Amino acid sequence: EIVLTQSPGTLSLSPGERATLSCRASQSVTNNYLAWYQQKPGQAPRLLIYDASSRATGVPDRFSGSGSGTDFTLTISRLEPEDFAVFYCQQYGRSPITFGQGTRLEIK
Amino acid sequence: QVQLVQSGAEVKTPGASVKVSCGASGYTFTDYNIHWVRQAPGQGLEWMGWINVNSRGTNLAEKFQGRVTMTRATSINTAYMELTKLTSDDTAVYYCARVGLTTPWYFDLWGRGTLVTVSS
Repeated sequence: EIVLTQSPGTLSLSPGERATLSCRASQSVTNNYLAWYQQKPGQAPRLLIYDASSRATGVPDRFSGSGSGTDFTLTISRLEPEDFAVFYCQQYGRSPITFGQGTRLEIK
Repeated sequence: QVQLVQSGAEVKTPGASVKVSCGASGYTFTDYNIHWVRQAPGQGLEWMGWINVNSRGTNLAEKFQGRVTMTRATSINTAYMELTKLTSDDTAVYYCARVGLTTPWYFDLWGRGTLVTVSS
């Protein structure tokens, strides 16, 4: 199975700053089938990005995804207070579907 | 409103079984397949498998084969996931999520989750 490693484990930033989250795959992700989710405490994950760089419906344009092959990045251009949460990457190019362990984005 | 509505929290003893339901509303149930993902307390997300709501075919992650059954009732737009031989390691929030019939397997809609607690 494809192992996804996210870094950093925790990212401490202030509102207005730029956040860069990394997701590295143990093998190339087929067709760049890589998604990003945001999860707040007590809530289900919310789809942000799919196919590595396509923004899901209703997601603000400060969220962007990039990358290909084994290295992917989620960028939040200017952090808003509501953006602080845990973020997961997911690959769906090959079964079994796998998720990264998550990056916690916290307010500095 | 487009949503997946899951059944309520469950408390089970070791060795028991649990069946979680996932009801779809606001969209055509047979236009999407249903996947199940679980999350142990304070941990990450773990994919369990999926059911083709039209054919009833299922595909399970290897670790759940033999213990998980996924079914659906199209007449009431509901999918089910049953997990048997529960242990404390199965304590988790269980989510259902939908995937379009012809789209890659990213999850654009999730249920709110069902907490299953396994304790003696």
